Amino acid sequence: GAGVSQSPRYKVAKRGQDVALRCDPISGHVSLFWYQQALGQGPEFLTYFQNEAQLDKSGLPSDRFFAERPEGSVSTLKIQRTQQEDSAVYLCASSPARVDTGELFFGEGSRLTVL
Amino acid sequence: GDSVTQMEGPVTLSEEAFLTINCTYTATGYPSLFWYVQYPGEGLQLLLKATKADDKGSNKGFEATYRKETTSFHLEKGSVQVSDSAVYFCALSPNAGGTSYGKLTFGQGTILTVHP
Repeated sequence: GAGVSQSPRYKVAKRGQDVALRCDPISGHVSLFWYQQALGQGPEFLTYFQNEAQLDKSGLPSDRFFAERPEGSVSTLKIQRTQQEDSAVYLCASSPARVDTGELFFGEGSRLTVL
Repeated sequence: GDSVTQMEGPVTLSEEAFLTINCTYTATGYPSLFWYVQYPGEGLQLLLKATKADDKGSNKGFEATYRKETTSFHLEKGSVQVSDSAVYFCALSPNAGGTSYGKLTFGQGTILTVHP
């Protein structure tokens, strides 16, 4: 497809389980972002990749959160030992640019519910 | 740190009514400002942007003017349509030129519902 694709769209996990969320950015896009959106709130920055390099992970809330983009295209966000406060929509966005244009192309998100 | 505050919603209007969604920000330096929109069942998409004071961004009949003196970027549309029903997010990005890569700070979003 032409847009950013995320999977799974919905994930229910029991507390303590590990989850992995996948993002397929638009082909050729250099920059890739992960955001976390809690219910009724705006997206909050988690981490940023430029190609395969993770240049900023300042928004990751704990060391249970890990993201990778090993070949500079597909990215995976992994959450270990999930907690109820991890319940949110996880958004992936990509951009063709290395510099700030402000135009990010977002996927529809992966909604994680931790019971 | 940087922050964005939007007027609380939801906002409900009749078709052809005038729309204003207020947005104010706190940031150091000279950020770029954006409005993103999320239609039902779709991902966020850029609606309009402004990169310096007094710039006006416009798209699809929506407008917003970058007001540095009031640190505001209010979204307006003269005549809304049912198809404008969506969630609207105000956002900013540090405007550090080539050293900034587009890390956005978002407001909490405003739900707009337009009735026929």
